Amino acid sequence: QSALTQPASVSGSPGQSITISCTGTGSDVGGFNYVSWYQHHPDKAPKLLIYDVSHRPSGVSNRFSGSKSGNTASLTISGLQAEDEADYYCSSYSSSSTLEVFGGGTKLTVL
Amino acid sequence: QVQLQESGPGLVKPSETLSLTCTVSGGSISTYYWSWIRQPPGKGLEWIGYIYYSGITSYNPSLKSRVTISVDTSKNQFSLKLSSVTAADTAVYYCATLSPRGYYFDYWGQGTLVTVSS
Repeated sequence: QSALTQPASVSGSPGQSITISCTGTGSDVGGFNYVSWYQHHPDKAPKLLIYDVSHRPSGVSNRFSGSKSGNTASLTISGLQAEDEADYYCSSYSSSSTLEVFGGGTKLTVL
Repeated sequence: QVQLQESGPGLVKPSETLSLTCTVSGGSISTYYWSWIRQPPGKGLEWIGYIYYSGITSYNPSLKSRVTISVDTSKNQFSLKLSSVTAADTAVYYCATLSPRGYYFDYWGQGTLVTVSS
């Protein structure tokens, strides 16, 4: 069982927006602004999309945005495209002895 | 652009030691915290640990007694050893860079599947 809780799957049609949630506790997501999000296509290296809750690395599309409220962080993908179909993982710094904790992943299907 | 490539045996026998190497290109080994992460089949990601080029390490407490991460700056490589493996250690193992600017993983390798089976 993963430390952070994500929905197993979400879906949307091209052009729509979807949001993926990531729920933790005050010891991780809620206590620090160190939430990151990753996109993973099968057999490829995972890719950093968002760091520090809402910051995008250079080269990442502005269709990807992050936010946080309390113990829940969210990744929003706007203007869905077929290439967005992938698995998405959240991660957070944790004040427990485990430095970084992850969510179980969310499979995004573009209909 | 940092590129990472994992290598090592894809099959390990129970009770033996799993050994993997990550070769770094496009970046200095003295810049990042070099990490290992794994994903058992059908499960989420699990952080294993990291090493800084100076040799400082940090491990996931759940694996700490069995894990050793080392770095070879002359070869631009870092390595993972996991001892006394069981079927529960079957997973895709990724090497990744933990950014020196925060708690996130900048770059990842493609991952390598290691199966523990006799």
